[in-house]
Amino acid sequence: EAGVTQFPSHSVIEKGQTVTLRCDPISGHDNLYWYRRVMGKEIKFLLHFVKESKQDESGMPNNRFLAERTGGTYSTLKVQPAELEDSGVYFCASSQDIRGSGYTFGSGTRLTVV
Amino acid sequence: AQTVTQSQPEMSVQEAETVTLSCTYDTSESDYYLFWYKQPPSRQMILVIRQEAYKQQNATENRFSVNFQKAAKSFSLKISDSQLGDAAMYFCAYSGAGSYQLTFGKGTKLSVIP
Repeated sequence: EAGVTQFPSHSVIEKGQTVTLRCDPISGHDNLYWYRRVMGKEIKFLLHFVKESKQDESGMPNNRFLAERTGGTYSTLKVQPAELEDSGVYFCASSQDIRGSGYTFGSGTRLTVV
Repeated sequence: AQTVTQSQPEMSVQEAETVTLSCTYDTSESDYYLFWYKQPPSRQMILVIRQEAYKQQNATENRFSVNFQKAAKSFSLKISDSQLGDAAMYFCAYSGAGSYQLTFGKGTKLSVIP
């Protein structure tokens, strides 16, 4: 089966610009998650979708971040306008069983804001 | 709130030797899951091994095994017969029972010396 796909793999944008990250989960996985790792720090939870609904977006840093999952398939994470502190690696993951089974992660998108 | 601590930012091991990566965690929950994830350079993060807290037996997956000490809240990963392909970032993670969210440590970068 195809894994979790994220693109772009890298993105360099200027402060103030907009960037949209995309994640295609494993087909049939209702649960989709976004995480972020800022350099040298822990990987932090951003939000969780169940199908097209946001189950928990408590980790979203501020209202410059907007996540969508139309039709319960792929998801996008838009950052607008981007700030320097948004730089990091954004991971997407998906799962079927949410209880302790672990996720399947994508390779991540490395975002650099200059 | 749960926390996960990996006290070794970097480790190295000779090929074919054994290495142990440390992880401690803090939680007030009695039922939870613990994970080790591996992220090779520029590749996706993959699940190496998982442990259910209510199981006393330590999990094992081929050359990978854990030493789970529930009272001490310790969850170390042992890699036996290290191979060049084991070189990666290793992340320890925690998930409460019934929870979808993972709490990660900062990671340990493992180098394998030929």
